[in-house]
Amino acid sequence: EPEVTQTPSHQVTQMGQEVILRCVPISNHLYFYWYRQILGQKVEFLVSFYNNEISEKSEIFDDQFSVERPDGSNFTLKIRSTKLEDSAMYFCASSWQGSYEQYFGPGTRLTVT
Amino acid sequence: EDKVVQSPLSLVVHEGDTVTLNCSYEVTNFRSLLWYKQEKKAPTFLFMLTSSGIEKKSGRLSSILDKKELFSILNITATQTGDSAVYLCAVTMFSGGYNKLIFGAGTRLAVHP
Repeated sequence: EPEVTQTPSHQVTQMGQEVILRCVPISNHLYFYWYRQILGQKVEFLVSFYNNEISEKSEIFDDQFSVERPDGSNFTLKIRSTKLEDSAMYFCASSWQGSYEQYFGPGTRLTVT
Repeated sequence: EDKVVQSPLSLVVHEGDTVTLNCSYEVTNFRSLLWYKQEKKAPTFLFMLTSSGIEKKSGRLSSILDKKELFSILNITATQTGDSAVYLCAVTMFSGGYNKLIFGAGTRLAVHP
């Protein structure tokens, strides 16, 4: 069964460093999303991406964040200068159409020290 | 402000019990309501509901939506220890051609042998 994959599973970085989280969405899906979940809190929407551009972003998704689809399979989230409060589980999700259910990857746990 | 509220926040039952999990929502331009199961990491898709009164069923799990009263329930019959997880309710709104999910805090279900 097709699934969303994410790498790495765990990333530890120092404050101020740049990180890139990688996702491979399900192959025939057209809509891509990033969510995050701070430990013990709700899953929060970060950004949606379609047709090589951002469709919507939340207030969390400030200038430190960017997304890219560098080739036909990968979808990346970059944080330019990490802060302690960026420590969270980051989930990538994809859906075939915008109105269809979203399938989530296993997540990348980001720890900023 | 758009919000999704789940109750109870946690539940402890014994194998064989039937449980009902609740989700109420207040969002503008409601499109659909989704249920996910989150065990260790990624939310796993269970159901998507768009119409009132139509029950969706998968094995021992079933769910129904009431768009007039703005809530949904997820039922699990004959619970098993493998049902232990956090059950997440999420809502989507009409917002262009794509969906962002607004999640509730989840119900943590523990099924004891």
